[in-house]
Amino acid sequence: AQSVAQPEDQVNVAEGNPLTVKCTYSVSGNPYLFWYVQYPNRGLQFLLKYITGDNLVKGSYGFEAEFNKSQTSFHLKKPSALVSDSALYFCAVRDMRSNYQLIWGAGTKLIIKP
Amino acid sequence: ETGVTQTPRHLVMGMTNKKSLKCEQHLGHNAMYWYKQSAKKPLELMFVYNFKEQTENNSVPSRFSPECPNSSHLFLHLHTLQPEDSALYLCASSPGTSGGTNTGELFFGEGSRLTVL
Repeated sequence: AQSVAQPEDQVNVAEGNPLTVKCTYSVSGNPYLFWYVQYPNRGLQFLLKYITGDNLVKGSYGFEAEFNKSQTSFHLKKPSALVSDSALYFCAVRDMRSNYQLIWGAGTKLIIKP
Repeated sequence: ETGVTQTPRHLVMGMTNKKSLKCEQHLGHNAMYWYKQSAKKPLELMFVYNFKEQTENNSVPSRFSPECPNSSHLFLHLHTLQPEDSALYLCASSPGTSGGTNTGELFFGEGSRLTVL
């Protein structure tokens, strides 16, 4: 079965420290992987995606994600966290079976403390 | 501003009411989606329309009725809902749903927070 797991409900990081939000996936075939962010009382916004090529993908707001095929992971990272990064982060993978729709993780709440 | 506008932002309704959620996109996209977002759960895809034709209906109860009169507008008609239907309903759009038009990047509205009493 195709699935996405975000093992942490919440991640707490001090401002200025590096952050990592974890995502693992299970799909048949080559995955297309995505990260979205949801700020309070807002809809989701696209951050970045991996389709093919370089395993390190750079996205909006200084975020990057590393695709690791052997570990079936696509962790989101940022070298220095900002308080404004506090939000809900969703990992998603493209489902090649169902008209290419996205399969979503349950989300990870990221809290950056001053 | 994402180019996708949802109204109303908040809606409280009784179990016997009939109401509608509206979504409009100004991005020239051909595909539109309804998602249900509940706390600490993955987004649930409800309906997909591509060029006004419904292409996905993920076993959604008939008390939710979608309507897509054109590629820019999407409605979700609600009737005889249950308290467990309380959630954030998100509308999204994308250039298309297949092949090269489906990049996986969705553009979301800010959502309609529905409370069913």
